[in-house]
Amino acid sequence: EAAVTQSPRSKVAVTGGKVTLSCHQTNNHDYMYWYRQDTGHGLRLIHYSYVADSTEKGDIPDGYKASRPSQENFSLILELASLSQTAVYFCASSDPGAGQAPLFGEGTRLSVL
Amino acid sequence: GEQVEQRPPHLSVREGDSAVITCTYTDPNSYYFFWYKQEPGASLQLLMKVFSSTEINEGQGFTVLLNKKDTRLSLNLTAAHPGDSAAYFCAVVTGGNNRIFFGDGTQLVVKP
Repeated sequence: EAAVTQSPRSKVAVTGGKVTLSCHQTNNHDYMYWYRQDTGHGLRLIHYSYVADSTEKGDIPDGYKASRPSQENFSLILELASLSQTAVYFCASSDPGAGQAPLFGEGTRLSVL
Repeated sequence: GEQVEQRPPHLSVREGDSAVITCTYTDPNSYYFFWYKQEPGASLQLLMKVFSSTEINEGQGFTVLLNKKDTRLSLNLTAAHPGDSAAYFCAVVTGGNNRIFFGDGTQLVVKP
């Protein structure tokens, strides 16, 4: 069954600490995405990738790095976590050129204290 | 680049009423369109995908209309019930780089 799995599901981090969010897909999709959602708001694209070993900046990349070591895995890295990065983070995979809708993971709730 | 405007941001209806959410987009070359539902505290679930032609798709209790001439996409919940209370998002695929653009969402409340 097609799936996108995120880990951890929730995390509490300290300001200035490093945070790594992981995403794994079993859909054989070329594209993977990291979105941020603040309470009561829509999705904002942080980084995305359409091929392994390459990442692209989205609309709000500042303060975030991404890594795509394989087609299945896509990580989001906060080198120096800040209070303003408290949010829910969603990973998704898709093959948009073939009309495949983005399939979302369950989300990671990040609290930076 | 593409801009997707979703209206209204908040919508409250009575059970049994219809609820209409509309997205307008700017790139006439956009070619795939999606609607998602997000229940509180949950992830986004795909409701419907619509492809590059004017069409009406019907799902369980809702209708999706794509009008490429007017660059408008709409979701119509025909007889809303409290279980439809959620946030709804449209998404548009556009451009040579297959970027996906999301609307800002509509928070729907269906009152008994």
